[in-house]
Amino acid sequence: EAGVAQSPRYKIIEKRQSVAFWCNPISGHATLYWYQQILGQGPKLLIQFQNNGVVDDSQLPKDRFSAERLKGVDSTLKIQPAKLEDSAVYLCASSLGGYSGNTIYFGEGSWLTVV
Amino acid sequence: AQSVTQPDIHITVSEGASLELRCNYSYGATPYLFWYVQSPGQGLQLLLKYFSGDTLVQGIKGFEAEFKRSQSSFNLRKPSVHWSDAAEYFCAVGARAGGSYIPTFGRGTSLIVHP
Repeated sequence: EAGVAQSPRYKIIEKRQSVAFWCNPISGHATLYWYQQILGQGPKLLIQFQNNGVVDDSQLPKDRFSAERLKGVDSTLKIQPAKLEDSAVYLCASSLGGYSGNTIYFGEGSWLTVV
Repeated sequence: AQSVTQPDIHITVSEGASLELRCNYSYGATPYLFWYVQSPGQGLQLLLKYFSGDTLVQGIKGFEAEFKRSQSSFNLRKPSVHWSDAAEYFCAVGARAGGSYIPTFGRGTSLIVHP
């Protein structure tokens, strides 16, 4: 079974530039998450989708971050304009959803450095 | 809101010694609890999870964890540590939301294994 795919794996941009990350979840997974992991910290949820609807985006800095999930499959996370403090790993994860204990699978992450 | 505390930032053990990583959670309802492991440059891999039933949960790689409701704890244990276990370990509590659940992570515990 193919895992959660993310691209690009690494990105270096200057502050005030824009960047986009792409995520392809495991086939059939209804739930998709984007997490931000700053070095030395645990992952922090940015947004959760259930199919193509947003469940929780309370911690997404909406003045600069946006995310969409096209047709309930792939997802894109965009940052515009980037700030130095956005340097982090952006993790995408997916699961079948539901409350029956389905496992959440994580991708390898997209590493962003803002200089 | 749910939260997780991992009181130990770093733990150092000798190879072959036993291991216990501490995790305390805060959540108003019956929690979903998880332990994930993250190797350098990698995404998160699920070690084990607790949803209901037996409070002693067995996971992959010889790990186990015990849910103690009275202490709001979900400590991770392994009887004999291998050098390959050196990694970052994250405890998470899941809150039900929108047809799935949202894991909230602790800050992580870095495991160092001495030969």
